[in-house]
Amino acid sequence: AQTVTQSQPEMSVQEAETVTLSCTYDTSENNYYLFWYKQPPSRQMILVIRQEAYKQQNATENRFSVNFQKAAKSFSLKISDSQLGDTAMYFCAFVYTGNQFYFGTGTSLTVIP
Amino acid sequence: DAGVIQSPRHEVTEMGQEVTLRCKPISGHDYLFWYRQTMMRGLELLIYFNNNVPIDDSGMPEDRFSAKMPNASFSTLKIQPSEPRDSAVYFCASRRSGGGGYTFGSGTRLTVV
Repeated sequence: AQTVTQSQPEMSVQEAETVTLSCTYDTSENNYYLFWYKQPPSRQMILVIRQEAYKQQNATENRFSVNFQKAAKSFSLKISDSQLGDTAMYFCAFVYTGNQFYFGTGTSLTVIP
Repeated sequence: DAGVIQSPRHEVTEMGQEVTLRCKPISGHDYLFWYRQTMMRGLELLIYFNNNVPIDDSGMPEDRFSAKMPNASFSTLKIQPSEPRDSAVYFCASRRSGGGGYTFGSGTRLTVV
């Protein structure tokens, strides 16, 4: 069975600081994809960043980057220079073959002015 | 590209009534997914389609729920009869085969009173 665990239900960070959200997953698959989605109060689910398991290089998207540790099955999200608009629920997600995404339970991030 | 379009954005209905939620996926996306989001259970996959054919409906909670995809540009999720415990946000998402992420619609918030 595939599982995704986000162990931090809530986090906060000062504006302009850096924060890291944790995600671990469990799978016996070798080829898969990992994603971080953001859900602001508007409830829209927005893709933040994506990582292919076969790539060793960590993905980056502007202020967002990941630390992908395949052996440890860890996929953390780092947000640099946090902005008020980053306040949202963040979901880690995993998919291998087929198409069902497995989502974590989410981390609620609050950016404090 | 207009993204995944869901309607209505909000729906309030009385217990026992039929509810129909609608989704238009992104053109060219061959997978379509229906998810339900609640505080208690997080994001749950209800059903997904590939090329308009239902592939996995094991997440559909009971016979009161049904979903159709008559063509590549339209899908419906129907609840008949509706119950208060069906109150949730229902998301539609689409994806192109080959490893891309989901694109979510903005969701329908259903309230059954």
